[in-house]
Amino acid sequence: SQQGEEDPQALSIQEGENATMNCSYKTSINNLQWYRQNSGRGLVHLILIRSNEREKHSGRLRVTLDTSKKSSSLLITASRAADTASYFCATPYTGANSKLTFGKGITLSVRP
Amino acid sequence: DAGVIQSPRHEVTEMGQEVTLRCKPISGHDYLFWYRQTMMRGLELLIYFNNNVPIDDSGMPEDRFSAKMPNASFSTLKIQPSEPRDSAVYFCASSLPGQGGTEAFFGQGTRLTVV
Repeated sequence: SQQGEEDPQALSIQEGENATMNCSYKTSINNLQWYRQNSGRGLVHLILIRSNEREKHSGRLRVTLDTSKKSSSLLITASRAADTASYFCATPYTGANSKLTFGKGITLSVRP
Repeated sequence: DAGVIQSPRHEVTEMGQEVTLRCKPISGHDYLFWYRQTMMRGLELLIYFNNNVPIDDSGMPEDRFSAKMPNASFSTLKIQPSEPRDSAVYFCASSLPGQGGTEAFFGQGTRLTVV
């Protein structure tokens, strides 16, 4: 299976702290994507990093990709209570057709 | 665009009944995905389409499940007959074409309860 596996399964931090979440995958990729899901809602795309990129930033988000280790990390800096959600990594299959599968996700709780 | 639209938002049905979930993807998106989410199994890809053609249905759990995409703006996921273990949140997502995958846009989901 190509799907990514997130780590840890759950993370609880204090508001203002940084949150680091990890994702590992098994085969070669063209890109890796991170999504957020608020309770009772659909997934929302956060950031996409291509296989030839090592780091990418978007606001308080920083994503790294290490293709030699087949892993990625998502860092949320200066977390807020509103960041409380589940976070998923997604690894599309390589090839012409973009089969998109997800890991089980990380539950992040940010305490006010 | 209003985003991916799913209906109904909630469905409660009795075991053995037919259930039809509906999805309207974002206009211009060539890919459409159906997912099922449960606490036990996470987010499972059931089937996906490219230009209205089913590409991979290996995630469809049983013959009781079927999906169609008669045109670029509409897809259905049907369960017949439904069983209590089908209770889950079903998501539809769509995306533009792109080598190796692009950003997927999700609907709000349909929460299905089979009693």
